[in-house]
Amino acid sequence: EAQVTQNPRYLITVTGKKLTVTCSQNMNHEYMSWYRQDPGLGLRQIYYSMNVEVTDKGDVPEGYKVSRKEKRNFPLILESPSPNQTSLYFCASNTGGLYNEQFFGPGTRLTVL
Amino acid sequence: AQTVTQSQPEMSVQEAETVTLSCTYDTSENNYYLFWYKQPPSRQMILVIRQEAYKQQNATENRFSVNFQKAAKSFSLKISDSQLGDTAMYFCAFMTPGNTGKLIFGQGTTLQVKP
Repeated sequence: EAQVTQNPRYLITVTGKKLTVTCSQNMNHEYMSWYRQDPGLGLRQIYYSMNVEVTDKGDVPEGYKVSRKEKRNFPLILESPSPNQTSLYFCASNTGGLYNEQFFGPGTRLTVL
Repeated sequence: AQTVTQSQPEMSVQEAETVTLSCTYDTSENNYYLFWYKQPPSRQMILVIRQEAYKQQNATENRFSVNFQKAAKSFSLKISDSQLGDTAMYFCAFMTPGNTGKLIFGQGTTLQVKP
């Protein structure tokens, strides 16, 4: 089954404790993105990757890092989480080309105390 | 910069009735794509319908249809014969082709379908 998976689905942590949210897709997509969803703001892109070892900032990259060492994986790293990073996070992948349909993961609810 | 605006934070509709969700966007691009996504309580993002800007015909998917007004930069979603399972948050989104797949989302509209 074609899918994007994320782990963990829920995470409660404390300020400053480094964490990683994993994302994996099995569709051989070149493009992958991370979004955060906040009430009243919709979803906003954090980082994206166009291929292995190629990443770039989205609209809200501050406080986040990403890496793309393999095509299928695109982890999101919060090296020193802060309470303003409490949010719902989505990983997505897409095919590229003329029409880019996004496939979303199930979401990760992160709470930073 | 492109922006997407959904001016209705919450809406409600009676089961079997029709409801229209509004969306406006701003762009200087001529070729782009527009989407409506549904997010039920499970939080999963589900693609409802998409529209290519170069197509004049409004997209339709079963009970869901859009009214795409390119000159007015308007992209509303009509849900006919509303069902309880349509209760969800709905997001309007914009994408330019050849981009990295970046979607620009509106703020979302929470739709409640009442029995």
